[in-house]
Amino acid sequence: AQKITQTQPGMFVQEKEAVTLDCTYDTSDQSYGLFWYKQPSSGEMIFLIYQGSYDEQNATEGRYSLNFQKARKSANLVISASQLGDSAMYFCAMREGQNFGNEKLTFGTGTRLTIIP
Amino acid sequence: GAGVSQSPSNKVTEKGKDVELRCDPISGHTALYWYRQSLGQGLEFLIYFQGNSAPDKSGLPSDRFSAERTGGSVSTLTIQRTQQEDSAVYLCASSFGGVSQPQHFGDGTRLSIL
Repeated sequence: AQKITQTQPGMFVQEKEAVTLDCTYDTSDQSYGLFWYKQPSSGEMIFLIYQGSYDEQNATEGRYSLNFQKARKSANLVISASQLGDSAMYFCAMREGQNFGNEKLTFGTGTRLTIIP
Repeated sequence: GAGVSQSPSNKVTEKGKDVELRCDPISGHTALYWYRQSLGQGLEFLIYFQGNSAPDKSGLPSDRFSAERTGGSVSTLTIQRTQQEDSAVYLCASSFGGVSQPQHFGDGTRLSIL
């Protein structure tokens, strides 16, 4: 089974609208972390936001927020007031466990977001 | 610069040759990671270093792949006897380590095997 599932291969959104990128995950660990990264066409991976499994509040970072629904195992990224510069691939990733050595990230297949002027 | 630095940015080589990819992490970061990104396989974890030791090598696809890290800083990923399926972008990341610390990525090395 896929550990990280991103069901939207591509999305087109009008500039200034809000957009939600879906991510569901599968783990049996109680302790885990969820990360979102942005990859513009230039190729660099840019960290956006982090949510820990024990965090009670949804994470927020500027225009980015994470809609964390633990029981549904979903961690959707919400971008408010989208801008042209938000056009990129977006990856959801998970780190499982909290023991020493459990630091690898497992990535989803990504969503390509295109912002339309 | 202050970010993760990878070299070369591009590498083209013939099948069967050995290649070395270098990663210079962010100063102060104790953890270093190698991933690769290809069209067919997406983003795959290769290996993780904490200091100079590698607690997790589970992602190395074959014994042709090896990596080392010296002085708790620079890391080298070596691919011996390259095959065409090794063509990918090899990404290095570093972090302070720990469960909530984000990994910060370099720009990658695009490896093409002819």
